[in-house]
Amino acid sequence: GENVEQHPSTLSVQEGDSAVIKCTYSDSASNYFPWYKQELGKGPQLIIDIRSNVGEKKDQRIAVTLNKTAKHFSLHITETQPEDSAVYFCAAEEYGGSQGNLIFGKGTKLSVKP
Amino acid sequence: DTGVSQNPRHKITKRGQNVTFRCDPISEHNRLYWYRQTLGQGPEFLTYFQNEAQLEKSRLLSDRFSAERPKGSFSTLEIQRTEQGDSAMYLCASSPLRGTGENTEAFFGQGTRLTVV
Repeated sequence: GENVEQHPSTLSVQEGDSAVIKCTYSDSASNYFPWYKQELGKGPQLIIDIRSNVGEKKDQRIAVTLNKTAKHFSLHITETQPEDSAVYFCAAEEYGGSQGNLIFGKGTKLSVKP
Repeated sequence: DTGVSQNPRHKITKRGQNVTFRCDPISEHNRLYWYRQTLGQGPEFLTYFQNEAQLEKSRLLSDRFSAERPKGSFSTLEIQRTEQGDSAMYLCASSPLRGTGENTEAFFGQGTRLTVV
């Protein structure tokens, strides 16, 4: 089955700096990779996703890149703000299983210092 | 609020008791998923419905766990004879049904935090 590794587990940046979170996956057949933001006591919130037919996707200050050959994908947040502080999870849809079954990384706790 | 709704938000129960959680998905979302999240971990897939059909239940953690979606709308997750190890956040997500093979976004609820004492 699919396995997703996420690094780093914690990340601290100064407000205005960029933050990068990296994930690798094991199943080359996976083709959908969402990113979620989770604030304390809340459920995960979808912030951006990417499908295997594209290499990069941007949405304002957030971008995701995908390298299918290397089986890794990354989240880039530019001009970070204190409200970006949260735990971020990457995920990969498990191919061949129930469509929509997501395998999650262990999360990255991002702290943005004002 | 038109998002995924979960009730209750918090549940404290004594070991050995049965608990039931409810999930109301986004209107017209055909797919509904249950996940479990323990502290410091990402969500872990448990089971999945497409309309009222439970298409995957092999990932349920034990036979004490069961889920239903009787009319293809709301769903319930029941844990029988709870154990301390069942303490976790139980998350529900829903997504729309699109074309065959097309990935669709899953939207999560706020979760039900279960504490077994």
